Amino acid sequence: KAGVTQTPRYLIKTRGQQVTLSCSPISGHRSVSWYQQTPGQGLQFLFEYFSETQRNKGNFPGRFSGRQFSNSRSEMNVSTLELGDSALYLCASSLGNQQETQYFGPGTRLLVL
Amino acid sequence: GDSVTQMEGPVTLSEEAFLTINCTYTATGYPSLFWYVQYPGEGLQLLLKATKADDKGSNKGFEATYRKETTSFHLEKGSVQVSDSAVYFCALSEDYGGSQGNLIFGKGTKLSVKP
Repeated sequence: KAGVTQTPRYLIKTRGQQVTLSCSPISGHRSVSWYQQTPGQGLQFLFEYFSETQRNKGNFPGRFSGRQFSNSRSEMNVSTLELGDSALYLCASSLGNQQETQYFGPGTRLLVL
Repeated sequence: GDSVTQMEGPVTLSEEAFLTINCTYTATGYPSLFWYVQYPGEGLQLLLKATKADDKGSNKGFEATYRKETTSFHLEKGSVQVSDSAVYFCALSEDYGGSQGNLIFGKGTKLSVKP
């Protein structure tokens, strides 16, 4: 089975721009979660989508949004980028049932200049 | 709220040494506990997990036992190899009555194994 894939792997943007990241889950997985990883804050949960609906949300500003398509692929959007948004963005997929294991993709490294 | 505390690194060991990385948690319910590993330039890989008290997770020579009485999930390996050099994350996932709980991570412990 193919693993979780994320595109692009690397991205450079400037402040004020917006960015869209993509995540394709493992076949059959219906849940996609997004996490932000920074040296200072570590790994922080952004949101989770299940069957095209946001089911869970972390404590991030409204500039961070996401969506999920009928094939379970998910996109994450960050508008009005700030320098502090520079991070590794990881997505994880799972079957979506109670306490199922989440499998992570390689991440998209975003640099905001 | 829920949280995970793990020993901060870096931890430097010689090959074949014994490894322990401490992890304790606070949770309101009955979480599942996980250890993930991150190799340089890569995403997270699940190393092992335990879903209830006294469960022992094991994989690739690593072990961790879910201790509810001490709210701990310490990672151990009897003999580390250079290839074990990575960052290790302890995490929990709460039981939200059937829905997927998000993972709450510790800060990570960087392990370096010298030949």
